[in-house]
Amino acid sequence: QVQLVESGGDVVQPGRSLRLSCAASGFIFTNYAMHWGRQAPGKGLEWLALISYDGSDKYYADSVKGRFTISRDNSKNTLYLQMNSLRAEDTAVYSCARDSGGLDYFDYWGQGALVTVSS
Amino acid sequence: EIVMTQSPATLSVSPGERATLSCRASQSVSSNLAWYQQKPGQAPRLLIYGASTRATGISARFSGSGSGTEFTLTISSLQSEDFAVYFCQQYDNWPPYTFGQGTKLEI
Repeated sequence: QVQLVESGGDVVQPGRSLRLSCAASGFIFTNYAMHWGRQAPGKGLEWLALISYDGSDKYYADSVKGRFTISRDNSKNTLYLQMNSLRAEDTAVYSCARDSGGLDYFDYWGQGALVTVSS
Repeated sequence: EIVMTQSPATLSVSPGERATLSCRASQSVSSNLAWYQQKPGQAPRLLIYGASTRATGISARFSGSGSGTEFTLTISSLQSEDFAVYFCQQYDNWPPYTFGQGTKLEI
């Protein structure tokens, strides 16, 4: 079955960097675009970034553009989110999600990794 | 950016009853709308896509309707496992993909 497992969540100080990973299994990773999203405490879901199946195309939400970078290693079936210049408002549970195949809805999500930005 | 607005924020319903959740888009999204269910500590689960198509393995008690700017998720004969938070998401005009703020369905 499809599994997406995030790792790398931590407590970091404002201005520092952190890299999240998402290990994918149960499907042919190279066939699917992938997304990152987040959910701040008590808030709704926010889409952050999309990467095409081969990594050639990337899209970002304005809130993270220029600070966050999405990437993937298809040889390792792993998705990444490099987060730089972190702010307190980036505190959230970060989840990866598989695109359904049409760059539209997300058919599987991981449980998420908690990132807390605090001094 | 398309803004998605869900109502109500919280819906209290008894088991066995029907629940009707609403989602409104700030501009037409055609039928490019999905619904997700999220339980505490769990990943969101896709319920509906294309406004009305149930995802694989989703009970027929869940149904979606609407197009354009007004959408509804109906859950018939509520069961205990249905009490959760429900989000709508548009994928008609991206980036960004946008979600509603959620409706908490409580007993």
